Amino acid sequence: GENVEQHPSTLSVQEGDSAVIKCTYSDSASNYFPWYKQELGKRPQLIIDIRSNVGEKKDQRIAVTLNKTAKHFSLHITETQPEDSAVYFCAASKTGRRALTFGSGTRLQVQP
Amino acid sequence: DTEVTQTPKHLVMGMTNKKSLKCEQHMGHRAMYWYKQKAKKPPELMFVYSYEKLSINESVPSRFSPECPNSSLLNLHLHALQPEDSALYLCASSQTGTGAYNEQFFGPGTRLTVL
Repeated sequence: GENVEQHPSTLSVQEGDSAVIKCTYSDSASNYFPWYKQELGKRPQLIIDIRSNVGEKKDQRIAVTLNKTAKHFSLHITETQPEDSAVYFCAASKTGRRALTFGSGTRLQVQP
Repeated sequence: DTEVTQTPKHLVMGMTNKKSLKCEQHMGHRAMYWYKQKAKKPPELMFVYSYEKLSINESVPSRFSPECPNSSLLNLHLHALQPEDSALYLCASSQTGTGAYNEQFFGPGTRLTVL
């Protein structure tokens, strides 16, 4: 089955700096890669996703890049703010099996 | 309505109890999911229902019994649970269970404690 590895496990940045979280996946058939943000005690919330037919997607301060050859995708957050502090999960799924396989999570802390 | 709702928010039960978790969505989604999340871990898939039929069971112990009475409702029946089953149980839904590019939306979860 699919295996998703995520790094780093914790990330601390100063407010205004950029943060980058990286994931690799094992199943070359995976074609959908969402990112979820989970604040303490809250539900995971979809913040951005990318399909395999696209190499990059941006939504305001958040961007995701995908390298299908390397089976690698990354989340980029620019101009970080304290409210960006949360746990971020990458995930992967494929047509025919829409259940998500999650990475282990990255705890992002933005220092004011 | 663009939300997935779950009840109860918190549940404490003994190992001999029988209880049920409930999940509801009114977005017209035809796939619904149960995930289990332990503290500081990612969600782990338990079950997937697609068009009200069970399509994936991730080798979950029989003390967890899912049910999908209709396209809007998903239940998880609990019986003879163990303390290690204590976790946050998340429900999610998506447009379909197998099609391409289906965003999954999560409910707030039920925090279960087994004594």
